[in-house]
Amino acid sequence: EPEVTQTPSHQVTQMGQEVILRCVPISNHLYFYWYRQILGQKVEFLVSFYNNEISEKSEIFDDQFSVERPDGSNFTLKIRSTKLEDSAMYFCASTRQGVGGELFFGEGSRLTVL
Amino acid sequence: GQSLEQPSEVTAVEGAIVQINCTYQTSGFYGLSWYQQHDGGAPTFLSYNGLDGLEETGRFSSFLSRSDSYGYLLLQELQMKDSASYFCAVQGGGFKTIFGAGTRLFVKA
Repeated sequence: EPEVTQTPSHQVTQMGQEVILRCVPISNHLYFYWYRQILGQKVEFLVSFYNNEISEKSEIFDDQFSVERPDGSNFTLKIRSTKLEDSAMYFCASTRQGVGGELFFGEGSRLTVL
Repeated sequence: GQSLEQPSEVTAVEGAIVQINCTYQTSGFYGLSWYQQHDGGAPTFLSYNGLDGLEETGRFSSFLSRSDSYGYLLLQELQMKDSASYFCAVQGGGFKTIFGAGTRLFVKA
């Protein structure tokens, strides 16, 4: 069964460094998302991406964050100048249809900022 | 903006039925979804309601009333493996899905 894959599964970085989290969505999906979950808390929407551009972003998704679909398969989240409070699990998700579609989540990338 | 409210915690016994309620406020609304998340895992889709009424999938059912901005997830014949967090989520404009804070379900033997 097709699945969303994310790398790395865990990344440890120093405060102020840049990290790139990578995702390979399911191949025939058209809508891509990044979510964040701080341990024990809610799944927070960061950004949605469709047709090679951001369709919606949350107030969390400020200039520190950027997304890219550099080729036909990868979808990346870049976090610049990381802060301690960026420590969280970052989930990538994809869906084939924009409305009513089931979100398929990857297993997540755990980011630890020291 | 969007906000969702659901109970933080529910406890039930194996074999019982449990209902998890969700109320929402949103500026744009396409539908209400439910996701399950086990500790350390990713959210997995359970159901979607775009129209009023009940959707049934095996032991799980979900209900939506758009006029009341209310929905619920009904879990029947509870099993120990159902112990997890359950999130309601609203889909609004911009193809985004916003999650509630989650309800932690504890199933006791």
